[in-house]
Amino acid sequence: AQSVTQPDIHITVSEGASLELRCNYSYGATPYLFWYVQSPGQGLQLLLKYFSGDTLVQGIKGFEAEFKRSQSSFNLRKPSVHWSDAAEYFCAVGSGNTDKLIFGTGTRLQVFP
Amino acid sequence: DTGVSQDPRHKITKRGQNVTFRCDPISEHNRLYWYRQTLGQGPEFLTYFQNEAQLEKSRLLSDRFSAERPKGSFSTLEIQRTEQGDSAMYLCASSFRGNNEQFFGPGTRLTVL
Repeated sequence: AQSVTQPDIHITVSEGASLELRCNYSYGATPYLFWYVQSPGQGLQLLLKYFSGDTLVQGIKGFEAEFKRSQSSFNLRKPSVHWSDAAEYFCAVGSGNTDKLIFGTGTRLQVFP
Repeated sequence: DTGVSQDPRHKITKRGQNVTFRCDPISEHNRLYWYRQTLGQGPEFLTYFQNEAQLEKSRLLSDRFSAERPKGSFSTLEIQRTEQGDSAMYLCASSFRGNNEQFFGPGTRLTVL
């Protein structure tokens, strides 16, 4: 069965520091992979997506993610974190013909000034 | 393009009551999804429509839950005889077939007392 694992429940970084959020997936075929961000009281906003092609994908707000098939990973990175990046981050895989999303449990990012 | 909208944003009800939520997708999107998100978890897929046809339902969707999309535009999700375990955020998303990118609404937070 398809699944997504986000090993880090909570991460704290200082403003200006680099960030990497981990995501591992289990999927039988070539996956469609997504990172979403959710701020308190807000809906989910798409940061970036991977369908095929270049394994390093660029997203909004300065985020990027790298697809590594050999490691079944799709980690999210940002070189310099801003206080406004504090939020919950979800990795997801698109499943089957319906494209329903299977989400990880999320990583809560806290940013200290 | 006003995005995906959901109504109401918050609903408090007593156990045993029926509730209905509405989702208005992005106008040209023919796919519509419902997800449920509980505290500390990622969203979980409930059901999916392509135009007016409901094509997939999760096992999470008990007999007390029913969803419709009568004209292939807006959708409603009804929960009958609510239970405390139904307390969650109910998220709606829409996409255009072949695009795979889902746009989420702000959600309806249900509290069952």
